[in-house]
Amino acid sequence: GAVVSQHPSWVICKSGTSVKIECRSLDFQATTMFWYRQFPKQSLMLMATSNEGSKATYEQGVEKDKFLINHASLTLSTLTVTSAHPEDSSFYICSARGAWQSNYGYTFGSGTRLTVV
Amino acid sequence: QQPVQSPQAVILREGEDAVINCSSSKALYSVHWYRQKHGEAPVFLMILLKGGEQKGHEKISASFNEKKQQSSLYLTASQLSYSGTYFCGTDDGSGTYKYIFGTGTRLKVLA
Repeated sequence: GAVVSQHPSWVICKSGTSVKIECRSLDFQATTMFWYRQFPKQSLMLMATSNEGSKATYEQGVEKDKFLINHASLTLSTLTVTSAHPEDSSFYICSARGAWQSNYGYTFGSGTRLTVV
Repeated sequence: QQPVQSPQAVILREGEDAVINCSSSKALYSVHWYRQKHGEAPVFLMILLKGGEQKGHEKISASFNEKKQQSSLYLTASQLSYSGTYFCGTDDGSGTYKYIFGTGTRLKVLA
């Protein structure tokens, strides 16, 4: 079946530094990838949608200059949290949709817990 | 617009039943159900595609109403392992295949 690998599983960084999270589709080509953020006891909120080779579409309220998304290939998307601050600490999850999937087929990564100290 | 789930939280005794609802202000193309344990990614449970559809696996089943604006997840004879947060998920209907989650329902099963 479709597998999405997300790394790292957790990361602790100092305030002001940048952190990169990778999301890879291992056995299919992901035409679209989604990035979500989840704060404790809350739902997963969509941050941005990225299509291979084009700029990401950010949801309202998400700073595009702070959360840099790159989808350079059909199997890899990266989310870089720049100048991280404690309020950016959260659980980040990616999902991927393959060209062969209908509009209801999505595969999720295992998530990355970011802690900014 | 994010689908609204009810109840927000529920506590059960082992063996009791529960119903979780997911409502949308507009018709959904499809609805997925997930269970998420603390600190983990959501785990897919099932998908419903057609209005009026009902399906299930073992003691967990779900329905999708005719208008495709509401789905319900039924947990029968709950087990301790059913504890977690349940989310419905759906294409937002904008035509861009943007996938959004419902507000979530926290379920705790006690021994």
